[in-house]
Amino acid sequence: GQQLNQSPQSMFIQEGEDVSMNCTSSSIFNTWLWYKQDPGEGPVLLIALYKAGELTSNGRLTAQFGITRKDSFLNISASIPSDVGIYFCAGQKVGAGGTSYGKLTFGQGTILTVHP
Amino acid sequence: DTEVTQTPKHLVMGMTNKKSLKCEQHMGHRAMYWYKQKAKKPPELMFVYSYEKLSINESVPSRFSPECPNSSLLNLHLHALQPEDSALYLCASSHPSRDRGNTIYFGEGSWLTVV
Repeated sequence: GQQLNQSPQSMFIQEGEDVSMNCTSSSIFNTWLWYKQDPGEGPVLLIALYKAGELTSNGRLTAQFGITRKDSFLNISASIPSDVGIYFCAGQKVGAGGTSYGKLTFGQGTILTVHP
Repeated sequence: DTEVTQTPKHLVMGMTNKKSLKCEQHMGHRAMYWYKQKAKKPPELMFVYSYEKLSINESVPSRFSPECPNSSLLNLHLHALQPEDSALYLCASSHPSRDRGNTIYFGEGSWLTVV
């Protein structure tokens, strides 16, 4: 099935450093979503992007919807220990009539480790 | 408030047992989903209910049987599972919008172990 290429697969950083991760696809998506998942928990929505070129912030997080609609990035500034977890990007297409199918295509995840 | 509630949090069942996972949301969302997730892998879509009707079944084995009693509730009935079915089962919900896509919110998941 279709996949998103998410990179890097893992990151080991010091507290206070900035983090950047991205997802690319060979096809176009109409929505990009970024989730964070802690061990034993469900994915939590961080940022949702709905328009090409859109740049959205949520606290220390910033994400952008690529102009080509085939990519997105997530930046985390001044990382803290609680940023540890797995970050997933997910793309969504719009179906016929303008409504969304509701199917997400996920990246493989970026495992973030933050050393105090 | 974006809360999707799943019960139980943990479930251990034998291969001959019949059990159910339950999901509830009170956000007025009209689409609900079941996903399966293995450790350190992305979630995999199983079923989608749209306006209480099954709209997507991703070729899931019949030992998994979904049910949507009403717009707030979603169940997953389990019967004759295999050990490889052990995973985190995630419920999710969304409300389709022409302007804002179909932003999907996940519950905390139910950890299933088949012995």
